[in-house]
Amino acid sequence: DTGVSQDPRHKITKRGQNVTFRCDPISEHNRLYWYRQTLGQGPEFLTYFQNEAQLEKSRLLSDRFSAERPKGSFSTLEIQRTEQGDSAMYLCASSRPTGRRTEAFFGQGTRLTVV
Amino acid sequence: DQQVKQNSPSLSVQEGRISILNCDYTNSMFDYFLWYKKYPAEGPTFLISISSIKDKNEDGRFTVFLNKSAKHLSLHIVPSQPGDSAVYFCAAIYSGTYKYIFGTGTRLKVLA
Repeated sequence: DTGVSQDPRHKITKRGQNVTFRCDPISEHNRLYWYRQTLGQGPEFLTYFQNEAQLEKSRLLSDRFSAERPKGSFSTLEIQRTEQGDSAMYLCASSRPTGRRTEAFFGQGTRLTVV
Repeated sequence: DQQVKQNSPSLSVQEGRISILNCDYTNSMFDYFLWYKKYPAEGPTFLISISSIKDKNEDGRFTVFLNKSAKHLSLHIVPSQPGDSAVYFCAAIYSGTYKYIFGTGTRLKVLA
């Protein structure tokens, strides 16, 4: 399978705990995105990487959130001191390195439940 | 500020008929538009896109129409099939950014 891979698919955690999600993009894609989706809403942008550089970050990404892409390949999203409002589907996407507009391909997501 | 709006939360269509999903946007800088389909517990799947220099793009049963003056786009599915039942999101992006802005989605149900 050469699609975008996310791990884990589901995570249940207690409030106050830290969680980390992993995303493996499509191999030749240098652009990587993190989105969050809650019930009844569309995906909301969190952050964007081009290779290992984090070029854009949403105001939604509070200080408790951090994302990395250390070698320009896989990425991790960490949430510290989780709150119930963090419960959502966390989606990773990647796209090709081209100057033309192109589509982003999404992974299956990690569903986080904070209890 | 919802820059991309899908005002119909749901739509039901008979199998074999046309499904028309609508999307409005407010930011005239958007120059690329996309439609995604999403099944429960899965990530969105890319369907079709259109650049702002075009007014129509077709791919099999799917056609996207863009009306720039009205800041409106629509997705036509002909003929509709039960497997098309899903939530459809439109998204937009403009040059100089890499942030896709999504609408809130329309749930399509195709009745057999």
